[in-house]
Amino acid sequence: EDQVTQSPEALRLQEGESSSLNCSYTVSGLRGLFWYRQDPGKGPEFLFTLYSAGEEKEKERLKATLTKKESFLHITAPKPEDSATYLCAVQPMDTGRRALTFGSGTRLQVQP
Amino acid sequence: DTGVSQNPRHKITKRGQNVTFRCDPISEHNRLYWYRQTLGQGPEFLTYFQNEAQLEKSRLLSDRFSAERPKGSFSTLEIQRTEQGDSAMYLCASSSTSGGGISDTQYFGPGTRLTVL
Repeated sequence: EDQVTQSPEALRLQEGESSSLNCSYTVSGLRGLFWYRQDPGKGPEFLFTLYSAGEEKEKERLKATLTKKESFLHITAPKPEDSATYLCAVQPMDTGRRALTFGSGTRLQVQP
Repeated sequence: DTGVSQNPRHKITKRGQNVTFRCDPISEHNRLYWYRQTLGQGPEFLTYFQNEAQLEKSRLLSDRFSAERPKGSFSTLEIQRTEQGDSAMYLCASSSTSGGGISDTQYFGPGTRLTVL
């Protein structure tokens, strides 16, 4: 059974204080690992897809990296508008299976 | 591209009533997904369609839940005889296989929040 564990559950940063969010996963062959951002009361917003160990992707203050067992979302010099819940999800390589398995998310609060 | 839309955005119902939600995917997206999310948890997969065919269903999808995508465009999710445990955010997502990549990105709608009294 595919599993995703995210840590920490919650993180409070001061504006400009860089940090990393962790996503540990087990999956029977990885088709893709996804990062989403979710604001309260809204649907998840797509950020990144990573496919293989060693891959990195960047967008503004965010950088996602992938190993064979973990993914990290690095936030550099965060701003208050980066406050949100960050969700990690995996999709297995199994033919015909497209379901994403999500972690419980990391609730990030950035204080000015 | 107007994004995935869902209606209604909020639904309050009494236990035992039936409810139906609608999802309109991004135009020309051939895959459509339903997820359920409770407070403090990540979304849980319910089912997925490719065009009009329902190809994958979760064990979470009890026989009180039924989903359809009759013409391969919009989809409906019906819950019969609602229970208080059905209270959650119901999310719809869509994706396209036309990019030819390994994995097609799922784009989510705003969700329908269901409260069962």
